[in-house]
Amino acid sequence: QKEVEQDPGPLSVPEGAIVSLNCTYSNSAFQYFMWYRQYSRKGPELLMYTYSSGNKEDGRFTAQVDKSSKYISLFIRDSQPSDSATYLCAMRGAAGNKLTFGGGTRVLVKP
Amino acid sequence: DGGITQSPKYLFRKEGQNVTLSCEQNLNHDAMYWYRQDPGQGLRLIYYSQIVNDFQKGDIAEGYSVSREKKESFPLTVTSAQKNPTAFYLCASSIGQGLAIDEQFFGPGTRLTVL
Repeated sequence: QKEVEQDPGPLSVPEGAIVSLNCTYSNSAFQYFMWYRQYSRKGPELLMYTYSSGNKEDGRFTAQVDKSSKYISLFIRDSQPSDSATYLCAMRGAAGNKLTFGGGTRVLVKP
Repeated sequence: DGGITQSPKYLFRKEGQNVTLSCEQNLNHDAMYWYRQDPGQGLRLIYYSQIVNDFQKGDIAEGYSVSREKKESFPLTVTSAQKNPTAFYLCASSIGQGLAIDEQFFGPGTRLTVL
């Protein structure tokens, strides 16, 4: 079993819909949680960075962390075709900076 | 412009050959990383370096080697001992220095294909 599980998709939604993405993990030592967006044949770019449990909002993006359930989510409101990409969750423990990534979910937003 | 550059963008290698992938950053970051990405498997850490002249193995270091002689450069050599080298290779860097929130910035990647 992988340390971080993520549904590979693809997840297809119409423009304007809410995109809901999630990851589950098994390592209770993870404290920092990230979401990266990766366009095809490009390097990932950081979208959201959260610490411990709770919610964080940034524009159309909301990240949620539920440490008791070992479950994190990313919501994209008012989705646009430009949001079509692969979304990767990543996480790490309190010490060090080594990240563990999920496999990524491919999202398609149709006009 | 500050950032991370990787070269070449595409690389073809014959079986049995060693190849070296370049990674350069001008962000003045202490930490640098090499990841391998295969379809559906996310990113897996090959090697990382917290500071010049020091580096550690990641989760899949077998068949790879690195050096960190300069702060801005972290080349990766894929040796003939790597059994399945065809993949997308990503280099990243971060400030490091024990920061609690230490964002990793990624380069554009090198796609290696073994013929």
